[in-house]
Amino acid sequence: QSALTQPPSASGSPGQSVAISCTGTNSDIGDYNYVSWYQQYPGKAPKLLIYEVNKRPSGVPDRFSGSKSGNTASLTVSGLQAEDEADYYCTSNADSQNFKFGGGTRLTVL
Amino acid sequence: QVQLVESGGGVVQPGTSLRLSCVASGYRFRTYGMHWVRQTPAKGLEWVAVIWHDGSKTYYGDSVRGRFTISRDDSKNTLYLQMNSLRVEDTALYYCARDFGVTDYKLDLWGQGTLVTVTS
Repeated sequence: QSALTQPPSASGSPGQSVAISCTGTNSDIGDYNYVSWYQQYPGKAPKLLIYEVNKRPSGVPDRFSGSKSGNTASLTVSGLQAEDEADYYCTSNADSQNFKFGGGTRLTVL
Repeated sequence: QVQLVESGGGVVQPGTSLRLSCVASGYRFRTYGMHWVRQTPAKGLEWVAVIWHDGSKTYYGDSVRGRFTISRDDSKNTLYLQMNSLRVEDTALYYCARDFGVTDYKLDLWGQGTLVTVTS
């Protein structure tokens, strides 16, 4: 099973918007609305940020949003803040036996 | 306090076994599915295994299937990962995580991780 493809890095200045992509196939992202995003700070455990493409758990700021087009999902961070500097991972599972993580994207706030 | 606490990691030789534990507190453990996920600097996050909330089903990632076994003891609010025939490439930080998903996996609570190092 192939992993999901993310750019290794992304960056933006405070106040700007940044989008991070996650590319899969028509057997996972393309076929199901089961995409999640996780945020991870160095030395900390991942935190669920987005699930089912565009839903936010309680407590996640609405600056974080998700979308999907074809085989590619995207996480957009609007109004970038210094505290958003972290690693971001996408996931998708088309079925119970195939749970994939993306390679991760390091977001830098300039 | 709602939390997960892993333990059992350590330094072991290739071919040996190790059992990880994850103790849950602050919520109704038996109503959630549970996962093990591992992380290395080189490979990032990798899904290891899942067990259904009622223990009826288990699934494994390709790299550990046949060597690792996930289980749970709801009377002890504890999740386990039995790791046999360990390989150097199993070296990683192992997290347990709670799953609130019904249709897909959604990991909303993670432990702090326990480090497993496999070296000769």
